[in-house]
Amino acid sequence: DAMVIQNPRYQVTQFGKPVTLSCSQTLNHNVMYWYQQKSSQAPKLLFHYYDKDFNNEADTPDNFQSRRPNTSFCFLDIRSPGLGDAAMYLCATSTRAQDPQHFGDGTRLSIL
Amino acid sequence: DAKTTQPTSMDCAEGRAANLPCNHSTISGNEYVYWYRQIHSQGPQYIIHGLKNNETNEMASLIITEDRKSSTLILPHATLRDTAVYYCTSLGGATNKLIFGTGTLLAVQP
Repeated sequence: DAMVIQNPRYQVTQFGKPVTLSCSQTLNHNVMYWYQQKSSQAPKLLFHYYDKDFNNEADTPDNFQSRRPNTSFCFLDIRSPGLGDAAMYLCATSTRAQDPQHFGDGTRLSIL
Repeated sequence: DAKTTQPTSMDCAEGRAANLPCNHSTISGNEYVYWYRQIHSQGPQYIIHGLKNNETNEMASLIITEDRKSSTLILPHATLRDTAVYYCTSLGGATNKLIFGTGTLLAVQP
């Protein structure tokens, strides 16, 4: 019973070619998060939505944007991927900001 | 947001208890201690959290010191499937954001 679903699990794109990663949830949670995890590092928060309110981390590059068209779906758009953007991208949800987060299994992004 | 410090790696024999320590000396009074684990190629999995009191659930126990400056996650009977990176984090305070530290790689040995 997958609750936070990320598609695809593996994504390959070319340097500079826009790419969109998707996340859906069946939990009806208010909060959705996007994390970036580079090899052998801990996840790093990029931004989150509390309902429709978007909250960007101060050090998230402008190259990264997000959309949340409804409660169930959230997208991560990378406008012009660079080689340094190769990473695992994790989506998570929670009922409230202070509650446990439920993570998807991530999308591993490779840049050619 | 509290900064957490954990050992880089630990070994544990299968069937024995695994005790994973974490220091969070800068934690504030309204920040919860959270533990997650990440098995290779999967997303982090929530384990347990607590504020002041010790907590137990079906996965683990969490022991928080009285001064709240450190905690220990206990897996009572470790199995090979418990091999993972275990993250001690804090949540709450001014920002309500999970800040992951470097984590502990727990290797359960047969």
